[in-house]
Amino acid sequence: DSGVTQTPKHLITATGQRVTLRCSPRSGDLSVYWYQQSLDQGLQFLIQYYNGEERAKGNILERFSAQQFPDLHSELNLSSLELGDSALYFCASTRQGNTEAFFGQGTRLTVV
Amino acid sequence: DAKTTQPTSMDCAEGRAANLPCNHSTISGNEYVYWYRQIHSQGPQYIIHGLKNNETNEMASLIITEDRKSSTLILPHATLRDTAVYYCIVRVAGEWYGGSQGNLIFGKGTKLSVKP
Repeated sequence: DSGVTQTPKHLITATGQRVTLRCSPRSGDLSVYWYQQSLDQGLQFLIQYYNGEERAKGNILERFSAQQFPDLHSELNLSSLELGDSALYFCASTRQGNTEAFFGQGTRLTVV
Repeated sequence: DAKTTQPTSMDCAEGRAANLPCNHSTISGNEYVYWYRQIHSQGPQYIIHGLKNNETNEMASLIITEDRKSSTLILPHATLRDTAVYYCIVRVAGEWYGGSQGNLIFGKGTKLSVKP
């Protein structure tokens, strides 16, 4: 158990819909990262938050947005969903002073 | 970020040591070598990391060559539960954003199959 919690584990939704994925980092971790892993593909960085502020942005589409709340949990919002958005979405958290990232078990999103 | 090269797949007999190689010839002085694994679409699991010295923990050992251009992850007594994709990643400490090849944090890795 990495200590990073993601909900829901599975999500099936229709094209055009909007979903919210949730991530609770390890206790004390201020940084949260979001990643997308499509079928048989590598892990693509989407966005990072640090203590409530956006820190870095990667391959995140304009239809996607994220935020980190005062209790440090983070949400990734995906809207106007397309079939190609079907993927595993992972979040990870890190602690200042440590170098390794710890990943949640992911949310498998299926858009039909 | 330095690019890494790993074999696509490897087999290992249960109970034997699994030695997974990784080349990172363009590694910079401030970049660490990290190893993660992913078991069948679960979240990536941290294994070990190092800068230039060899490292060992309860899961594995990491051997880094003196010139730091390559490394080997050693699972001393592989079990069936070690079957997974193993990723070698080179990164500046604590920076898990960005990535080579357009924000690709983990590449294809090595698919390790441990056989009875």
